Amino acid sequence: GAGVSQSPRYKVAKRGQDVALRCDPISGHVSLFWYQQALGQGPEFLTYFQNEAQLDKSGLPSDRFFAERPEGSVSTLKIQRTQQEDSAVYLCASSVTGGLIFYEQYFGPGTRLTVT
Amino acid sequence: DQQVKQNSPSLSVQEGRISILNCDYTNSMFDYFLWYKKYPAEGPTFLISISSIKDKNEDGRFTVFLNKSAKHLSLHIVPSQPGDSAVYFCAARQNSGGSNYKLTFGKGTLLTVNP
Repeated sequence: GAGVSQSPRYKVAKRGQDVALRCDPISGHVSLFWYQQALGQGPEFLTYFQNEAQLDKSGLPSDRFFAERPEGSVSTLKIQRTQQEDSAVYLCASSVTGGLIFYEQYFGPGTRLTVT
Repeated sequence: DQQVKQNSPSLSVQEGRISILNCDYTNSMFDYFLWYKKYPAEGPTFLISISSIKDKNEDGRFTVFLNKSAKHLSLHIVPSQPGDSAVYFCAARQNSGGSNYKLTFGKGTLLTVNP
C-alpha cells in the first residue's frame, strides 16, 4: 500500500532562499510529525499536527520555520531565508491515532536539503 | 543534552551470530521505548517496542530487553542476517502527560552483518 511520500527528495538552495517541503501522509492518518535529522544525528522533533491543528511547534528551531496542514492531510514545511545550518534531512511521519494512545509512526523517505 | 544515548556508532557481526545493540536514557519519565531500522535513502521503519511495565518483548528474531533501574535497553537479533545491515535507532517517549506523541531518538548504531 501507499506509504508516506515526500517531495522533493533532494533540494539544493542558495543561502537566503526560501524552500517548501511537502509531505503526503498515509491516507486517514490523523497525526503528522516533522523531524530534522542532521548528519550523524538521530531525528529531532520539530512539530506535530492532529488533523489540521498544529498542537506542538516547540521543536521548530527559529521563526524562519513554518509548517501547515490546512486540510488535515498534506503538510508543507517552509523554511525562509535558508542558512547553512538548515542543511539536513527533513523527515515526515504519520500515525493512525492521536489523543491518548499513540501507535508507531510511519516515516517517509525524507527530503535532503543542502544550503550552499 | 542527549536524553537517549547510543554509545556505539557501529557494530559488525558475522551472519548467524547474535547482534546486541545498546541504548541508555537519562530521562526517568520515559516509559515507552522503540527501535527503528533505517536503510540508506529511506525513512526509519518501526521494528519493535517495549513498555516500561515489561522487561522483555520478543518478535521473531528480535528481542528487546529493558532494565529500568539501569535506564538501559538492548535489542538482540538472533540469528543475524545480511539483510539486517542498517542503522538502528533507539527512541523513547513519555506515555503519560501531554507530550505522549513526542519521540526522542538516539544517534543510531550502524550494524553490518557480514556473510
